[in-house]
Amino acid sequence: DGGITQSPKYLFRKEGQNVTLSCEQNLNHDAMYWYRQDPGQGLRLIYYSQIVNDFQKGDIAEGYSVSREKKESFPLTVTSAQKNPTAFYLCASSIGTSGAAYEQYFGPGTRLTVT
Amino acid sequence: KNQVEQSPQSLIILEGKNCTLQCNYTVSPFSNLRWYKQDTGRGPVSLTIMTFSENTKSNGRYTATLDADTKQSSLHITASQLSDSASYICVVSAGDYKLSFGAGTTVTVRA
Repeated sequence: DGGITQSPKYLFRKEGQNVTLSCEQNLNHDAMYWYRQDPGQGLRLIYYSQIVNDFQKGDIAEGYSVSREKKESFPLTVTSAQKNPTAFYLCASSIGTSGAAYEQYFGPGTRLTVT
Repeated sequence: KNQVEQSPQSLIILEGKNCTLQCNYTVSPFSNLRWYKQDTGRGPVSLTIMTFSENTKSNGRYTATLDADTKQSSLHITASQLSDSASYICVVSAGDYKLSFGAGTTVTVRA
């Protein structure tokens, strides 16, 4: 898992509630990413950030929001607008601003269950 | 549309045996291909990375091959161990931040 931490490991929430997933890295990486993993599917990109105070939508950004106020932190908020939020969420970081040119290191993940 | 297809979806092997996982991709342009190992409930960890000019890359008992002409890659596990039980994910890059992920092959090693 390198120097990336995600908390909590398990998270439960009721429908209609917003919830924030934490992601912190001590690798001094510029770029950070949020992915969603569902059974039988490849990881899908939610949001990414190449530099502090800047972030871009990925393929499935609807119902999610992020912030990048510090280089080491990239929290993800799952809002009540996300229709199917139950999933395994993975945070990643890479040293370079061109993500594909550098390896992405993944955190241990947060499993979110919404009932 | 960039796609990465992995096969088989899952497999069971006896400890000490070898196995090979397949990855076919349609990502274009091609920059590099990575294999990740993901233990249950954990984040993926990189095993190998190969660029266009590389045919083979090894990491201990893991050997990855790449045929850029046919857009196929394989991951061979030699002398499997119980700790090899995991999901193995093929990831292809088109040269930008965006990666294309396969759904993974779940390997179960039985004693």
